[in-house]
Amino acid sequence: DQQVKQNSPSLSVQEGRISILNCDYTNSMFDYFLWYKKYPAEGPTFLISISSIKDKNEDGRFTVFLNKSAKHLSLHIVPSQPGDSAVYFCAGRGNSGGSNYKLTFGKGTLLTVNP
Amino acid sequence: GAGVSQSPSNKVTEKGKDVELRCDPISGHTALYWYRQSLGQGLEFLIYFQGNSAPDKSGLPSDRFSAERTGGSVSTLTIQRTQQEDSAVYLCASSPGTAGVVQYFGPGTRLTVT
Repeated sequence: DQQVKQNSPSLSVQEGRISILNCDYTNSMFDYFLWYKKYPAEGPTFLISISSIKDKNEDGRFTVFLNKSAKHLSLHIVPSQPGDSAVYFCAGRGNSGGSNYKLTFGKGTLLTVNP
Repeated sequence: GAGVSQSPSNKVTEKGKDVELRCDPISGHTALYWYRQSLGQGLEFLIYFQGNSAPDKSGLPSDRFSAERTGGSVSTLTIQRTQQEDSAVYLCASSPGTAGVVQYFGPGTRLTVT
């Protein structure tokens, strides 16, 4: 039972254009959603989060949109830069306390930004 | 300040051997998590420590896996009688507490069981 799904294993965009990474979830109990970026041989690095009571959060070139009715969120990167090339993971956080604060991750999307 | 550190960065072991993986969380962080990432998969939760509370071991895949956290800081994940399916990257994360949204990850330990 995959509670967080990233259906696109990879995405390729041109430098300067917009990158849109998508994520679907099934667990309506998640209270936060997070995006992490991962370079090879490194641990995931936090990028941006959104509370389940919001529908948009923006931080510089990164914007996350949440559509609760569709159980869908997306990460927009604009303009995309070659240094953004990495694997992006979407994660949902439980809200029942204790270990339910664990993160449930999707399988990731490999973003390649071409110069 | 220093981030989460893990050792070793790589570990190759023979099937049936025991291994210990170490995690040093960010100083002052009371919550510590272990995850693993198998090839082509997302990160899978293993175990969670919060302060002096009993750990939540609900994600451990078998009784060959155990973990402890000494003095509320350093944690060790032990895998006994390793199997080839244990091959994965084992990641440790810490956060200031359960109220903190963001978990900060270490670089991981790549375990290969031959």
